[in-house]
Amino acid sequence: KAGVTQTPRYLIKTRGQQVTLSCSPISGHRSVSWYQQTPGQGLQFLFEYFSETQRNKGNFPGRFSGRQFSNSRSEMNVSTLELGDSALYLCASSLRTSYGYTFGSGTRLTVV
Amino acid sequence: DQQVKQNSPSLSVQEGRISILNCDYTNSMFDYFLWYKKYPAEGPTFLISISSIKDKNEDGRFTVFLNKSAKHLSLHIVPSQPGDSAVYFCAASNSGYALNFGKGTSLLVTP
Repeated sequence: KAGVTQTPRYLIKTRGQQVTLSCSPISGHRSVSWYQQTPGQGLQFLFEYFSETQRNKGNFPGRFSGRQFSNSRSEMNVSTLELGDSALYLCASSLRTSYGYTFGSGTRLTVV
Repeated sequence: DQQVKQNSPSLSVQEGRISILNCDYTNSMFDYFLWYKKYPAEGPTFLISISSIKDKNEDGRFTVFLNKSAKHLSLHIVPSQPGDSAVYFCAASNSGYALNFGKGTSLLVTP
């Protein structure tokens, strides 16, 4: 079966712009979570959606937001980009809990 | 506040020997622990997990040990192979909610 698909794979944006990243979970998976990976901080939890509702949120500023659609596909948006937002953004999906996470390959965002 | 810590950023091991990767956590509410392996430009891949009701779980060359009293877990890889060279992340969860990850340990297995 198809894995978790994230688009685009690479993105370059300018400071102050906004960006939207997309994640298509494994078919049947209703939980979608987003993580930010940076060299200094490892993987940090952004938020989790389950059946279109945000179930959990990490410690990130309000510039980071997300949503989940009825088909479980999810998007995350970052507004007013800062240089420090440059990172690999990973999406993970599971049937219900974090125990069964499958990760996508990520979107590499570079802010210049 | 980092609740899961991997204090060794890197580890180098000879092929055929044992690799031991360590992880410490601070939150006693964590009830499930996982190890992920990550290659550059790819997402993390699940390796092995352990529930807090167990102290050992084994899958082929990989064994995870959990010491709840010390809030410590370790991943043993025996024997180590060059293809095991990757970054290994320890993660912990409370009741199936968001995973808390360590910063990773980069393992290099040399021939």
